Amino acid sequence: EPEVTQTPSHQVTQMGQEVILRCVPISNHLYFYWYRQILGQKVEFLVSFYNNEISEKSEIFDDQFSVERPDGSNFTLKIRSTKLEDSAMYFCASGGGRDSPLHFGNGTRLTVT
Amino acid sequence: EDQVTQSPEALRLQEGESSSLNCSYTVSGLRGLFWYRQDPGKGPEFLFTLYSAGEEKEKERLKATLTKKESFLHITAPKPEDSATYLCAQISGGSNYKLTFGKGTLLTVNP
Repeated sequence: EPEVTQTPSHQVTQMGQEVILRCVPISNHLYFYWYRQILGQKVEFLVSFYNNEISEKSEIFDDQFSVERPDGSNFTLKIRSTKLEDSAMYFCASGGGRDSPLHFGNGTRLTVT
Repeated sequence: EDQVTQSPEALRLQEGESSSLNCSYTVSGLRGLFWYRQDPGKGPEFLFTLYSAGEEKEKERLKATLTKKESFLHITAPKPEDSATYLCAQISGGSNYKLTFGKGTLLTVNP
């Protein structure tokens, strides 16, 4: 069964550094998302991406965050200058249609020290 | 803004002891109600989508139902491998693309 793959599984970085989290969505999906989950809290929406542009973003997704689909298969989340409070599990998801179920990757655990 | 509330927060069952998990959602403009399973350190795994009141979906020991104000995940004769956090989420008319999740119910099934 096709799946969403994310790399790396764990990333440790120092405060102020840039990080790029990478995702390969399911190949025939058209909608791409980033969510995050701080330890012990809800899964929270960050951003959705469709037709090569951001379709919606949350208040969390400020100017420090950006997304890109550099080619036909990868989808990336960049955090320009990491803060301690960015420490979380980041999940990539993809969907085949507007209200279709989202399929999630197994996440990248980001630790900012 | 959408609000998804799940109860109980945690549920401990003996193997074979059936029960139900509850999810209350924001009624206005619901376009889809989703159930996911999440194992520790993993991403949410899709289980079911429900689109309208009265709809039911089944998969193995799990059955999801939807009423006009809440959804239930019924677990029949659970096994230890059903132990996980079960998440409920909705998409509503106010947003085309955003899933709003509840905090989840941590289910533990003892052998």
